Amino acid sequence: GAVVSQHPSWVICKSGTSVKIECRSLDFQATTMFWYRQFPKQSLMLMATSNEGSKATYEQGVEKDKFLINHASLTLSTLTVTSAHPEDSSFYICSARVPDRGQIEQFFGPGTRLTVL
Amino acid sequence: GENVEQHPSTLSVQEGDSAVIKCTYSDSASNYFPWYKQELGKRPQLIIDIRSNVGEKKDQRIAVTLNKTAKHFSLHITETQPEDSAVYFCAASQRAAGNKLTFGGGTRVLVKP
Repeated sequence: GAVVSQHPSWVICKSGTSVKIECRSLDFQATTMFWYRQFPKQSLMLMATSNEGSKATYEQGVEKDKFLINHASLTLSTLTVTSAHPEDSSFYICSARVPDRGQIEQFFGPGTRLTVL
Repeated sequence: GENVEQHPSTLSVQEGDSAVIKCTYSDSASNYFPWYKQELGKRPQLIIDIRSNVGEKKDQRIAVTLNKTAKHFSLHITETQPEDSAVYFCAASQRAAGNKLTFGGGTRVLVKP
């Protein structure tokens, strides 16, 4: 159990376009999901906390108008990178907590590699 | 907010030797400390975790120790094998902050056969 999927696994887009990344909890309901960004050879940096049915909570320095998060159901959160630029190229990873495990352990999706040309 | 420092950034060991990675955290309210292993291009995989009411936890060749007073915790891998080569991340979280994870900078471990 506790499987998290992401789609797509990789995407290449032109500068100025928008890209949507999906994060799904496959065998559990997740009221809270997290979005991270990881640049090459660096650590994971939390971008935002996605809460089902309410607005996402963004970390300091993350532009909420550029990184749109929608958590419309208990199994799906989406991250849309709007007007993407080459500096947005990164590995984007989501995670979710399993409610019946005390809301502590996070399970990670496989990640989405975004390349902006 | 929480700040997690991790050392060393790279670690090369001979197969069969032990590897130790150390992390310090800044917020004394943090109460959950997981360790993740990440292979290139893959998701982080939880390998062991410890909560603040425990000082040490072991799972086969992997152990974690926690010193709450000094605010540091360590990962110990014994009898290292080539498949242990990866990047390891420590992290800290607390319920009061929504259980958000703050990650250390990572340690690239290379186990030489």
